[in-house]
Amino acid sequence: GENVEQHPSTLSVQEGDSAVIKCTYSDSASNYFPWYKQELGKRPQLIIDIRSNVGEKKDQRIAVTLNKTAKHFSLHITETQPEDSAVYFCAAPQRTGRRALTFGSGTRLQVQP
Amino acid sequence: DAGVTQSPTHLIKTRGQQVTLRCSPKSGHDTVSWYQQALGQGPQFIFQYYEEEERQRGNFPDRFSGHQFPNYSSELNVNALLLGDSALYLCASSSGTGANQPQHFGDGTRLSIL
Repeated sequence: GENVEQHPSTLSVQEGDSAVIKCTYSDSASNYFPWYKQELGKRPQLIIDIRSNVGEKKDQRIAVTLNKTAKHFSLHITETQPEDSAVYFCAAPQRTGRRALTFGSGTRLQVQP
Repeated sequence: DAGVTQSPTHLIKTRGQQVTLRCSPKSGHDTVSWYQQALGQGPQFIFQYYEEEERQRGNFPDRFSGHQFPNYSSELNVNALLLGDSALYLCASSSGTGANQPQHFGDGTRLSIL
């Protein structure tokens, strides 16, 4: 099955700096890569996703890049704000069935004011 | 347009008991997936339902079972509860119109086993 590795496990940045979270996946057939943000005690919220036919996707301060050859994808957050503080999860679809997700272990991002 | 709703929000059980958790998918969605999220970890896939059948299953024992109803809502049942079953149980729904559709999560049911 799919295996997703996520780094770093914790990340602390100053407000206004950029943050980068990286994930690698094992199944070369995977073609959809979502990112979720989970605040304490709340549901995981889909913040951005990318499909394998593009190498980069942006949505305001958030961007995701994908390198299919190296089988890794990254989340970039620019001009970080305290409200960006949360746990971020990457995910990739499993090969079988209707593509349930395999999640990374999460990155706890702390934005210091 | 209601999102994914789950009930109950919290539940306390003792070892050996049985529990049923419920999920109503987002309007227009017909696929429901269940995940277990232990404290400090990422969600782990339990199983997925589509057209009232279990289509895919993760690495969970048979004590975990489910059902999907004609209105696309779903239940997760866990028998013979163990202390290790304490976790946040998340339901996610998606549209079955194609693979790799975005999954949207409910707020979860926090299950505590004493």
